[in-house]
Amino acid sequence: DIVMTQSPESLAVSLGERATINCKSSQSVLYSPTKRNYLAWYQQKPGQPPKLFIYWASTRESGVPDRFSGSGSGTDFTLTISSLQAEDVAVYYCQQYYTTRPTFGQGTKLEIK
Amino acid sequence: QVQLQESGPGLVKPSETLSLTCTVSGGSIRNDYWSWIRQPPGKGLEWIGFVSYTGNTNYSPSLESRVTMSVDTSKNQFSLQLTSVTAADTAVYYCARGGASSKYFDAWGQGTLVTVFS
Repeated sequence: DIVMTQSPESLAVSLGERATINCKSSQSVLYSPTKRNYLAWYQQKPGQPPKLFIYWASTRESGVPDRFSGSGSGTDFTLTISSLQAEDVAVYYCQQYYTTRPTFGQGTKLEIK
Repeated sequence: QVQLQESGPGLVKPSETLSLTCTVSGGSIRNDYWSWIRQPPGKGLEWIGFVSYTGNTNYSPSLESRVTMSVDTSKNQFSLQLTSVTAADTAVYYCARGGASSKYFDAWGQGTLVTVFS
């Protein structure tokens, strides 16, 4: 199985500042024929299910604010929040869907400093 | 917009079988893949497996000896059975759309907490 490793495990950022979460896969999730990275990001708030935020590594799901962006290719990916808002406090997970057995990162807890 | 809702017992005794059902509304269960994902209290997400509307399945290697998933297209439902449960199976269980290769999870149920407790 592909192992997904996120860093850091927790992150405290001031309101209005940039937050960056990293995700590394143990093997490439880039499918060369389509040039697509099979990588998604989810946001989970306490007591709620995860919510799809980004797929294909950089495509925002409908309704996701444009302060959220995804980047990266192959094995290294980043979720960036350009200007942190109070409602962005949550745990963020990356997930690969390159294989028929999807796997998640361990999560990054984002808090306000 | 498709909605998913888990149902089933919240308490299961050790060594017994955990059984959950997910009802899909607002869309057809056909033409998609449907997964179960769990989250132990305070921990991360673990994919359990998926079932297609045709009944094809794929399970996590760590659980496949104890897992069975099935689909009932007439009721727009799919189900999970996990046998021989232990305290380690205590978790919030989510059903979700997606899980096969090239398919992210774009719709989730609210989740149901299943506690293994004697």
